[in-house]
This record gives sequence, structure tokens and C-alpha cells, in this order.
Amino acid sequence: GAVVSQHPSRVICKSGTSVKIECRSLDFQATTMFWYRQFPKQSLMLMATSNEGSKATYEQGVEKDKFLINHASLTLSTLTVTSAHPEDSSFYICSASAGAATNEKLFFGSGTQLSVL
Amino acid sequence: DAKTTQPTSMDCAEGRAANLPCNHSTISGNEYVYWYRQIHSQGPQYIIHGLKNNETNEMASLIITEDRKSSTLILPHATLRDTAVYYCIVRVVPGSARQLTFGSGTQLTVLP
Repeated sequence: GAVVSQHPSRVICKSGTSVKIECRSLDFQATTMFWYRQFPKQSLMLMATSNEGSKATYEQGVEKDKFLINHASLTLSTLTVTSAHPEDSSFYICSASAGAATNEKLFFGSGTQLSVL
Repeated sequence: DAKTTQPTSMDCAEGRAANLPCNHSTISGNEYVYWYRQIHSQGPQYIIHGLKNNETNEMASLIITEDRKSSTLILPHATLRDTAVYYCIVRVVPGSARQLTFGSGTQLTVLP
């Protein structure tokens, strides 16, 4: 099956610093990527949808200036958590779709555990 | 996308079949039923999906009732590695690249 690679798997940073998370589709072109966040013992919550070459669409309550999403190529999307604070500590997961005609399955990265001290 | 209702948790003995139910009484004619699972601290893993016919693959079987208002995911011979949260999701496809909306899921614990 299709593979989505997400890095890093775990990151610890100091409060106020920025962290970049990469999501790559390894064997298909991902026209759309989704970014989710998951707090302990909770379900995945969609943060934003990114389409290659255009601005991301953010869900209500998600600060676009804090969570910067770039989807400059068909195989790479990045999420940058700017000026991270302890409340941003969470499990971040990306998901990729090959497009409307072939998006029967969404494939997920392995997730990034962010801990902000 | 239609909402789904799943039991919060279930236990299953290793080697036995695990039957995970899901109610989706408001499902529309163009919505598929998807199952994903999430093992602790990992990303969700696709298991199976279907529209109205029963489906089987190397991981599991999906049984959808004739009225499509409920379904059951069957893991025929559960192993300890099947311990995970299982999510039942209904979703319209194809037509546009849409996200998956996750509910609370069912925590399946396979007991030795």
C-alpha cells in the first residue's frame, strides 16, 4: 500500500521555539494532505487541509499564523508550529490523498509527538 | 458525513474472532463505511471499506446490514498485536478529496 513518511517521530523543544514537521508521500503524488492533532486519550481532530500549490484551509479554532502549513510539492507538506508553548504539546499526524478520483483510502504518517517544555 | 456510534471498549481472547459493531443510522446512499485502527502512539492504519456489499481482505471482514444502518468489523483470529482503537467512519467518496472525521472509536483489548 501507499506509504506516508512523517518526521520527526518525536521532538522536545523549549517554549518559544519553532518546530517543523515533514510529511512525505513516498510512492504517490499527494494533491491533498491533511494535518491532525491528537491529545492524550482523545480522538484525532482535523487541523487543516492543504492542497499542493495553494493556501491551506484551517479548521475553526486553529490559528493559521501559529500552525504554518506549506505544500509546495506533490510529495511534501510541512507543518511548522511557531513559538511553541506547553499547550501545543500533542501528537501531530499527517494524512495524504492521491486525489479525488483515487482517494478511496487515506494513508497516514506515523505521527510526531511534540513535547514543549 | 454521517455520525457513527461505537462501544467504548471491548475485550477479546487471543485466537478468537473479534466482532466490532458500528451504528450509522443516518448514512446516505453515497457514503461508504471505512474502518481504521490506531495502535498506541502510531498513525491510523487503513483496514477495510465498503458501500453495501460485504467485503473481505487479508486483515478483516466487513459485514454491512441490508439497510446499511449498521456494520460489523470482524477480525477472524485476533492476536495481541490487534490491540488498538478501532474507528468506524462513514465518508462520501469519490468526488472530492475529503478528510476522515474520527469519532471516539472502540478500544479493543486482546487478552492472552
